[in-house]
Order: sequence, then structure tokens, then C-alpha cells
Amino acid sequence: NAGVTQTPKFRILKIGQSMTLQCAQDMNHNYMYWYRQDPGMGLKLIYYSVGAGITDKGEVPNGYNVSRSTTEDFPLRLELAAPSQTSVYFCASSYSAQGGSPLHFGNGTRLTVT
Amino acid sequence: GIQVEQSPPDLILQEGANSTLRCNFSDSVNNLQWFHQNPWGQLINLFYIPSGTKQNGRLSATTVATERYSLLYISSSQTTDSGVYFCAVAPLNGNFNKFYFGSGTKLNVKP
Repeated sequence: NAGVTQTPKFRILKIGQSMTLQCAQDMNHNYMYWYRQDPGMGLKLIYYSVGAGITDKGEVPNGYNVSRSTTEDFPLRLELAAPSQTSVYFCASSYSAQGGSPLHFGNGTRLTVT
Repeated sequence: GIQVEQSPPDLILQEGANSTLRCNFSDSVNNLQWFHQNPWGQLINLFYIPSGTKQNGRLSATTVATERYSLLYISSSQTTDSGVYFCAVAPLNGNFNKFYFGSGTKLNVKP
């Protein structure tokens, strides 16, 4: 049972490049989330999903896109990378937010845009 | 969205000391969780505690939902307790899937 797996661990992008951050969970969780953490700050919600085929915006969705074709995977797409997207990105999952199950986080992807 | 404030922002302790971290939130919540982010950046779930009191070893947490705050107690601190502690809440009214994080309390336990 690997939990929440994120790849890659590190990435450097040039301005205007695109990339996909991968996230997979093997706990059969319905809910999945993408957060970003800027230095010295808390986490901000980018997008979330309540199940396959259903996604919704969080607090800071601009510049990102997501899809959820399976229960296990929730990739985050950056289309035109900008320096403001330099951050650490965390994926998380939970069984049911309404029931109050804990959030499980991946180990993060550190992204630098130069 | 719901506002989450954590205090103190920074805390330095000598090993063996006790501490209390506070989380205030601006609206009623459906879900409240405490996390520890270790020096390697990993986020570990400590407690799910929308109300009441829970204990896990040297750590305990209390949430007073009617007064909109939660406390995390660390007793007999160890150097491995160092890191940043975050409180995250999901609002009772509105979208309960959206977790809002505080800015954290950075704890440094000195040997």
C-alpha cells in the first residue's frame, strides 16, 4: 500500500513550457486534491475532485487544469509556466470529506520556473 | 472563504518543555485536522478533531467548535517534534470539500 504517490519529485521549467504533475493513490479514495505551498506559507487549494469525471476549482485555479478519468489518478497540468507558479505542489486524498476522514498527502513536487 | 489563524507563528523550545499551539477559525466547521510538516517537507496527519478532545502519546488536541478554536498540546517535546504544524478546516456551510489551511506554527525544539 503506497498511499499517495507524486511524480516527479523535482522539476525545473522555463517560462512558457508546459508539464503535467502526476498523482496516484491506491486507497480507493473518492476525494482528491491539489495544493500549492509557497515558501513560509500554508497550503492553498488549486483544484479538487469528488470522484471520477468530477472536478472543481479551489482558491487558486488560474494557470492550471486537471482531469479525473479514474479513481486512482488525478494529474495537474500547467500549460504556460510562469515564475509565479514556482512552488511546492502537494496532492492529497481522502475517503469522504463529509464524514471527516483524514487527508493523506503525497511527498510533494518542487517546481521552479525560470 | 473561511479564515484560519494560527498562533504563535514561531516557537522555540528546549527539549522536554511543553507547548500549546492555537488555531482560530472564522466560521462553523465540518472537519478540522492538525498536520505536522517535518523538516523534509512531508505532511503527516496528526488528528481529525472537529470537536472534543483526542490524545495520541505526547500529543493531544482539543476543539471547542462553539467558540471556533482548536488547541494542539505537545508535552515533553523532543527534537523530532520540530517542523511546522498546520491546522486545516472545512466549512460546515458551503462546500465541505474545500479545506482551508492556516499559515502554520514553526516549532524548533533545541537539544
